Amino acid sequence: EAGVAQSPRYKIIEKRQSVAFWCNPISGHATLYWYQQILGQGPKLLIQFQNNGVVDDSQLPKDRFSAERLKGVDSTLKIQPAKLEDSAVYLCASSLNFGHPNEKLFFGSGTQLSVL
Amino acid sequence: KQEVTQIPAALSVPEGENLVLNCSFTDSAIYNLQWFRQDPGKGLTSLLLIQSSQREQTSGRLNASLDKSSGRSTLYIAASQPGDSATYLCAVRNTGGFKTIFGAGTRLFVKA
Repeated sequence: EAGVAQSPRYKIIEKRQSVAFWCNPISGHATLYWYQQILGQGPKLLIQFQNNGVVDDSQLPKDRFSAERLKGVDSTLKIQPAKLEDSAVYLCASSLNFGHPNEKLFFGSGTQLSVL
Repeated sequence: KQEVTQIPAALSVPEGENLVLNCSFTDSAIYNLQWFRQDPGKGLTSLLLIQSSQREQTSGRLNASLDKSSGRSTLYIAASQPGDSATYLCAVRNTGGFKTIFGAGTRLFVKA
């Protein structure tokens, strides 16, 4: 079974530039999550999709971050314009059975973003 | 507001030692608790998931326990190996909203 795919693996940009990350979840997983992990901290949820609908985007800085999952499969996360404090690893995760007590999260390898 | 704390932040042990990693959470109204492993530059790999109605889960050399009333979980690693070196994170899913909150992790180094 193929895992969660993310690209690119690394990205270096200057502040005020824009950047986009791509995620392809495990086939059949309806729920997709984007997390931000700052060095030395645990992942923090940015946005959660159920199919192509947004379930939770309460911690997404909407003035600069946007995300979409148009066909309920792939997703993109965009930052425009980037700030220095956006330097982090952006992790995508998916799950099969949202809301089930046995729901497990499956993570991709992440995109490491450096904003200079 | 749920807060998840992991102590210690870092741990170094000799190969073969049994060890315990700790996770504490402030709100006992949880749905489940999951332990993950993260290798440098990699994503998170699920190790064990304990549902709120369960007390423990085991997989190979790993055993995770859950005590909701005290807001604690432990991950026990038996006979540690250098390949166990990684960061271990616990994540709590709340019953309200099903939001998952992560701890900052314990960085484990097992010396050969």
